[in-house]
Amino acid sequence: QQQVKQSPQSLIVQKGGISIINCAYENTAFDYFPWYQQFPGKGPALLIAIRPDVSEKKEGRFTISFNKSAKQFSLHIMDSQPGDSATYFCAASRANFGNEKLTFGTGTRLTIIP
Amino acid sequence: NAGVTQTPKFRILKIGQSMTLQCTQDMNHNYMYWYRQDPGMGLKLIYYSVGAGITDKGEVPNGYNVSRSTTEDFPLRLELAAPSQTSVYFCASSYSGTSGGAGTDTQYFGPGTRLTVL
Repeated sequence: QQQVKQSPQSLIVQKGGISIINCAYENTAFDYFPWYQQFPGKGPALLIAIRPDVSEKKEGRFTISFNKSAKQFSLHIMDSQPGDSATYFCAASRANFGNEKLTFGTGTRLTIIP
Repeated sequence: NAGVTQTPKFRILKIGQSMTLQCTQDMNHNYMYWYRQDPGMGLKLIYYSVGAGITDKGEVPNGYNVSRSTTEDFPLRLELAAPSQTSVYFCASSYSGTSGGAGTDTQYFGPGTRLTVL
């Protein structure tokens, strides 16, 4: 069973602070690592994704850091805002045609307090 | 585009009853997926389809069936509902070309169906 382990399960951050969510994977064949954001009552939506040929990808306040040797990747949310309060899922897959399956982490419920 | 739509939004079933969860996408995506989401467990893949007439099992297929007769529709069938099937069900779709990289295509999720089996 391919696994992606995500931590923490829940996180409370003050407005303006940095939110950090971590994921670790086992399968060295994984080479695509997306993060999905889910608001209550909604389906998940792609937030940002990275391939292992780079160690960092930044989109606005959201950054993925990737450590291939440690088989770990993390999501950093800078200047966290109450609107960022949501559940975040990391995921992983192999970028080969014929493999269409994402393996998801167990999710992190992020709460940003004023 | 409406994207991925799911019906119903909520449903309560009695043990042993059957039902079909409907999923439709209007983005002409070739791949479609069914997931279940349980608290603290993330998203588990039930079944997926790479095109009309082609389906395959995911991680947790027992107790479910699917069919894909058209590109747009991918219904999920529960034949004998059990309390263990109480969950939130999400349908998703993506487009993958023949040049590879299918595993990296963005999946677009529907709003979900909350199912309770009593």
